[in-house]
Amino acid sequence: DTGVSQDPRHKITKRGQNVTFRCDPISEHNRLYWYRQTLGQGPEFLTYFQNEAQLEKSRLLSDRFSAERPKGSFSTLEIQRTEQGDSAMYLCASSSGTIGYTFGSGTRLTVV
Amino acid sequence: RKEVEQDPGPFNVPEGATVAFNCTYSNSASQSFFWYRQDCRKEPKLLMSVYSSGNEDGRFTAQLNRASQYISLLIRDSKLSDSATYLCVVNSRDYKLSFGAGTTVTVRA
Repeated sequence: DTGVSQDPRHKITKRGQNVTFRCDPISEHNRLYWYRQTLGQGPEFLTYFQNEAQLEKSRLLSDRFSAERPKGSFSTLEIQRTEQGDSAMYLCASSSGTIGYTFGSGTRLTVV
Repeated sequence: RKEVEQDPGPFNVPEGATVAFNCTYSNSASQSFFWYRQDCRKEPKLLMSVYSSGNEDGRFTAQLNRASQYISLLIRDSKLSDSATYLCVVNSRDYKLSFGAGTTVTVRA
């Protein structure tokens, strides 16, 4: 499968716990994006990498959120001290240019 | 003001009908435009790019009006399988896409 892979597909965690998600982009894509989507809304931009460099972080990304792409390949998104408001679908996408993205299946986070 | 605004619908149409909806975007410097389709609890998937001269892809026709900053999508001869949420997407800078909240279309038998 040469698509974008995300792991896990679902995560239920207790408030206050830390969680980490992984994204494996399409191998030849140098750009990787994280988005968050809540019910009834479109995906909202969180952060973006070109190769290993994190070029932008949204104001939505509080200090509890951190993302890495250490070798310019896979990426991780960590949320510390989760809150109920963090419950959402976290989507990873990759691209090689500006002509559309390919999204992964997402990680659905539920904070209880 | 959101970068991309869409009528949320829902648009409830019978099979075989034509349905059309549009979105508006706020950044006049936007360069690229797309429609994505999203099925319930699935990831968005690229439906089609939108070009300045308008373009068709089978039963789907997209139009762009740069002067008024709106994009439209028309679906002809609707199929049950067209039931989905359609996301209007704008490239505001060279690397980031901005998504509307989506328009829900339900095609009934």
